[in-house]
Amino acid sequence: DQQVKQNSPSLSVQEGRISILNCDYTNSMFDYFLWYKKYPAEGPTFLISISSIKDKNEDGRFTVFLNKSAKHLSLHIVPSQPGDSAVYFCAVASYDKVIFGPGTSLSVIP
Amino acid sequence: GAGVSQSPSNKVTEKGKDVELRCDPISGHTALYWYRQSLGQGLEFLIYFQGNSAPDKSGLPSDRFSAERTGGSVSTLTIQRTQQEDSAVYLCASSLHGLAGNEQYFGPGTRLTVT
Repeated sequence: DQQVKQNSPSLSVQEGRISILNCDYTNSMFDYFLWYKKYPAEGPTFLISISSIKDKNEDGRFTVFLNKSAKHLSLHIVPSQPGDSAVYFCAVASYDKVIFGPGTSLSVIP
Repeated sequence: GAGVSQSPSNKVTEKGKDVELRCDPISGHTALYWYRQSLGQGLEFLIYFQGNSAPDKSGLPSDRFSAERTGGSVSTLTIQRTQQEDSAVYLCASSLHGLAGNEQYFGPGTRLTVT
């Protein structure tokens, strides 16, 4: 039973448009929510995070939204750039546990 | 080095052999994690070390898997009597403190192939 779901295994977006990646979790015990980006043959790199006391966090072109009641978070990338093409993992964490989603492969088409 | 390093980068082994994978975390990071990513799958948590506390082994898939972290720094993940289903990329990560809200810095991974 997956505790963290990313229901879109892949997503294609035109350069300059908005990319929206979604993540759903089942357990309300989690306090922190993170997004990581992974290029082929490299380890994941941290992108942006949000704590459960907030509903939005913005860093440049990246914004993470958290809807605690729906147990849903999303990552918005705007404008999307070809270099954003990668696999994006959401992760949910408490003080003693972190669970990653299965990832969404984003392709930004020039 | 500035980042998390892992060795070897690639390992091919015969079924039934033991393998050891090494992780050097970022200096000063108290927490260290091992994950596994099988082909087409997400990141599967294996084990977590935090300071001098006993590690959280809840993610280890079988008793053939074990891990150590000596001196609070370098860690080795050992897989005994390897099976073909162990083939995956094994990723190590470290963070300055424990899990909650701390970003993890990942190494490049070790690609293990069991033939």
